[in-house]
Amino acid sequence: KQEVTQIPAALSVPEGENLVLNCSFTDSAIYNLQWFRQDPGKGLTSLLLIQSSQREQTSGRLNASLDKSSGRSTLYIAASQPGDSATYLCAVKIGSGNTGKLIFGQGTTLQVKP
Amino acid sequence: DGGITQSPKYLFRKEGQNVTLSCEQNLNHDAMYWYRQDPGQGLRLIYYSQIVNDFQKGDIAEGYSVSREKKESFPLTVTSAQKNPTAFYLCASRLAGGSTDTQYFGPGTRLTVL
Repeated sequence: KQEVTQIPAALSVPEGENLVLNCSFTDSAIYNLQWFRQDPGKGLTSLLLIQSSQREQTSGRLNASLDKSSGRSTLYIAASQPGDSATYLCAVKIGSGNTGKLIFGQGTTLQVKP
Repeated sequence: DGGITQSPKYLFRKEGQNVTLSCEQNLNHDAMYWYRQDPGQGLRLIYYSQIVNDFQKGDIAEGYSVSREKKESFPLTVTSAQKNPTAFYLCASRLAGGSTDTQYFGPGTRLTVL
């Protein structure tokens, strides 16, 4: 059974710091991996999606990496800002197309202090 | 303005009552999903539907029911059989076969049992 774990559960950093969020999964047979952002009491917004054949994806100050063999992904946030404060969730997709489903980690709640 | 809407934002239910959560999308997406989120936990899949008039149970379907009579709508009923319904409920949709394999999420409904 696929399990997704995110460590740490919470993180507080000063503004401007570079930081890394971690995600691990138990079964390397994934179709893709996504990182989402969730603001308090809101829905999820997709940040980055990495296909199983890819090693990393970048969007602005965000860079996500994927190492399927070790069952790990990291989300790197450069030059953090108070507006980055949110909960970040990773999810792996098992199965492809319409029959695939997402398995979510518990999330890391990030606070960036001005 | 395309997107997913969920209503109501907050819902209070007395024990023994059934309640229905609304989810509507105007993205012309084929697949729709219902997730449950509890504090400190990731999202768990309740039900999903790939096409109209068809739906499948997710990982925690007991005590819930759904219908998919229209492409745009995927309501979730939380029945009195659900032992611990207090949670944050998120609806999502996905374009089946689309090049972007991303689920788009609504803003959520917070259900509290009194």
